[in-house]
Amino acid sequence: KAGVTQTPRYLIKTRGQQVTLSCSPISGHRSVSWYQQTPGQGLQFLFEYFSETQRNKGNFPGRFSGRQFSNSRSEMNVSTLELGDSALYLCASSPAWGDNEQFFGPGTRLTVL
Amino acid sequence: AQSVTQLDSHVSVSEGTPVLLRCNYSSSYSPSLFWYVQHPNKGLQLLLKYTSAATLVKGINGFEAEFKKSETSFHLTKPSAHMSDAAEYFCVVSDHGRGSTLGRLYFGRGTQLTVWP
Repeated sequence: KAGVTQTPRYLIKTRGQQVTLSCSPISGHRSVSWYQQTPGQGLQFLFEYFSETQRNKGNFPGRFSGRQFSNSRSEMNVSTLELGDSALYLCASSPAWGDNEQFFGPGTRLTVL
Repeated sequence: AQSVTQLDSHVSVSEGTPVLLRCNYSSSYSPSLFWYVQHPNKGLQLLLKYTSAATLVKGINGFEAEFKKSETSFHLTKPSAHMSDAAEYFCVVSDHGRGSTLGRLYFGRGTQLTVWP
């Protein structure tokens, strides 16, 4: 069974731009969570989607948004990029909402210049 | 509220010697606890998980962890370190509570393990 895939793996943007990251969960998994990893703040929860609905949201500004499609694939969007948004963005999938065993993808490394 | 404290940011051991990575947690409910490993430029891989069954949990690659409720600890151990164990390790607690935080993972700040030849 294929694991969680994330595209692109690397991305370079400039301040003020917006970016969209994509995540395909493990086949049959319906819940997708997103995390931001930075050296300063560590791993922080962004949001979780299940059945195309956001079920859970972390403490991030409204510039961070996401969505989930009917095939469970998910995208996250960051608008008006700031230097501090440079991070590794990790996606994780699980079979259902509230499943705490999550399977992580390799991440998207975003650099904001 | 849930939180995790990893007591050491860096641990260095020689190959073939035991590994101990320490973790304390705080949880309002009966927790699920995990250890994940992250190799450079890679995602997170689950090493093991505790979900209120046996208190001694065995994971992959020879790692194990013991849940001690009285000490609110979940330390990760391995009898003999290998060079390939060098990586960052994260202790994680999950929320079994009600409502919007159900299933959310709370990560420790990580412990970087260095293994010397």
